[in-house]
Amino acid sequence: GENVEQHPSTLSVQEGDSAVIKCTYSDSASNYFPWYKQELGKGPQLIIDIRSNVGEKKDQRIAVTLNKTAKHFSLHITETQPEDSAVYFCAASRNYGGSQGNLIFGKGTKLSVKP
Amino acid sequence: DTGVSQDPRHKITKRGQNVTFRCDPISEHNRLYWYRQTLGQGPEFLTYFQNEAQLEKSRLLSDRFSAERPKGSFSTLEIQRTEQGDSAMYLCASSSRQKVVAFFGQGTRLTVV
Repeated sequence: GENVEQHPSTLSVQEGDSAVIKCTYSDSASNYFPWYKQELGKGPQLIIDIRSNVGEKKDQRIAVTLNKTAKHFSLHITETQPEDSAVYFCAASRNYGGSQGNLIFGKGTKLSVKP
Repeated sequence: DTGVSQDPRHKITKRGQNVTFRCDPISEHNRLYWYRQTLGQGPEFLTYFQNEAQLEKSRLLSDRFSAERPKGSFSTLEIQRTEQGDSAMYLCASSSRQKVVAFFGQGTRLTVV
């Protein structure tokens, strides 16, 4: 079945620096890749997503890149702020636009932004 | 608040007891998912509904677990004869047919003692 690996498991950066989180997936049929931010005691919140027909997507300080050939995608956060501190999850799905759409998640990256 | 709502937020139960959780999805969403998340892990898919039809169940969903969505709106997840290994955060998410983007609720944290 589909497997999503995420690295690193923890990441500590200084405020203002950039943070990069990387994920690889195993199912070449995966066509949808969202990123979620989860704060303590809360459910995951979607922050950005990308479909397989796009190589890069940006939303203010957040960007995601996708390399279909290598089957990996990355989250980039620039000008990090303390409120960016949280656990970030990547996910993959092979059913965008189809009848299902269940997501396979990575194990998460705990990002700490030091003021 | 028009987001996904889950009830209760926390549940402590004794081993062997039955528990039931409720999820109210975003009103116009016809797809509803249940996930389970243990400490330090990402959410794991349990089951999926499109309207009232349960279309997919993970092998993680043992016979002690049952989910329903009788009128295609809210959903319930019941766990019978709870075990300590059932302790986890149970997350509900919903999406519309047009977009697979899933919006999650705050979750129900279950502790089996």
